[in-house]
Amino acid sequence: QKEVEQNSGPLSVPEGAIASLNCTYSDRGSQSFFWYRQYSGKSPELIMFIYSNGDKEDGRFTAQLNKASQYVSLLIRDSQPSDSATYLCAVSGGTSYGKLTFGQGTILTVHP
Amino acid sequence: DVKVTQSSRYLVKRTGEKVFLECVQDMDHENMFWYRQDPGLGLRLIYFSYDVKMKEKGDIPEGYSVSREKKERFSLILESASTNQTSMYLCASSFGQGGPSYEQYFGPGTRLTVT
Repeated sequence: QKEVEQNSGPLSVPEGAIASLNCTYSDRGSQSFFWYRQYSGKSPELIMFIYSNGDKEDGRFTAQLNKASQYVSLLIRDSQPSDSATYLCAVSGGTSYGKLTFGQGTILTVHP
Repeated sequence: DVKVTQSSRYLVKRTGEKVFLECVQDMDHENMFWYRQDPGLGLRLIYFSYDVKMKEKGDIPEGYSVSREKKERFSLILESASTNQTSMYLCASSFGQGGPSYEQYFGPGTRLTVT
């Protein structure tokens, strides 16, 4: 079983829609959760992190964490073509202090 | 802003060569990491270091070694490059020793081709 699983893509949404990216993790002791965006040929760029259950909003992005369900998600409101990228979920804490475990990524395409 | 730099964006080496990839961060981070990223395999951790001269193996350390003589610099060494080490290599750094991890910041990556 993969430690961090993301919803299989690719995900395609129209411009202006809400994109929903999901991630589940297996280590119940995990404490920190991160979302990275990676454009083709570029390195991952941190866009959000969340430590506590509930929602965290930053501009058009909202991260949601449910530790009981071992589930973290990223919502992108008013999606723009420039949001087209691969989104990586990463998890840390529990048995892997100091390291992040990454999901395989979900490719998002926002079409005009 | 955190800045992580890597010595080369593109590198072409021959099979059997010894290859050095350098990474420097300017944020006084304790932790530094080396990953490789391949299509369909995602990001895989090669080695990481949580302090000067300290290192730990990641998930795929075979064929690689690392060096951390100064806090800001973390080097990845391919002792004898092979074609299956052709990949994108990413360096990252973060605060923190023990406890919940802080976010990692990535360098621009080095695309290494071994022919």
